[in-house]
Amino acid sequence: DAGITQSPRYKITETGRQVTLMCHQTWSHSYMFWYRQDLGHGLRLIYYSAAADITDKGEVPDGYVVSRSKTENFPLTLESATRSQTSVYFCASSESAGGLSYEQYFGPGTRLTVT
Amino acid sequence: LAKTTQPISMDSYEGQEVNITCSHNNIATNDYITWYQQFPSQGPRFIIQGYKTKVTNEVASLFIPADRKSSTLSLPRVSLSDTAVYYCLVGNEANNNDMRFGAGTRLTVKP
Repeated sequence: DAGITQSPRYKITETGRQVTLMCHQTWSHSYMFWYRQDLGHGLRLIYYSAAADITDKGEVPDGYVVSRSKTENFPLTLESATRSQTSVYFCASSESAGGLSYEQYFGPGTRLTVT
Repeated sequence: LAKTTQPISMDSYEGQEVNITCSHNNIATNDYITWYQQFPSQGPRFIIQGYKTKVTNEVASLFIPADRKSSTLSLPRVSLSDTAVYYCLVGNEANNNDMRFGAGTRLTVKP
């Protein structure tokens, strides 16, 4: 399927467990982003990537790890999940030059609950 | 990154024109202004982007005054399906690590 997909769509995990959220895009966009959205708040940038093997921190990177070995994939790992990481996670991609000068395309989101 | 200020919520009726204003007093010379729309349980969707004056596409218009310290998203003849949260972003490709959507403006369109 063309576009940007996220998996799983829903995940319940326990405190201390490692969780990986997957993001896949078919456009070969250079830039990819991970955001979290908490109830009543806007989106906050966790990490972004300008290209394969190039990643950088966003506003709230603590507790998260990312990698980008292939252009089309950008997984987000919570190494030891905490309840404060309960949130909806959105992945996005952008064609080139950076997310603020070009349109970002968002995935459907992953709703993560940490118990 | 320029801080943005938007109204928390707005109400309108079907068929009316809706204008949502975003303030960004410390916008930088190379910053763009971008608006996104988000429906419940979905990711944001790009609406429009501009740098100065006026930009129009098939769904909205974006008005930017000469000083660029504010911008107005205009939605013509809204329908119930335009009920959503609207976000204003200001920045450029050098600010990727400081991208902030803020709380947005919750627009409710009533019949």
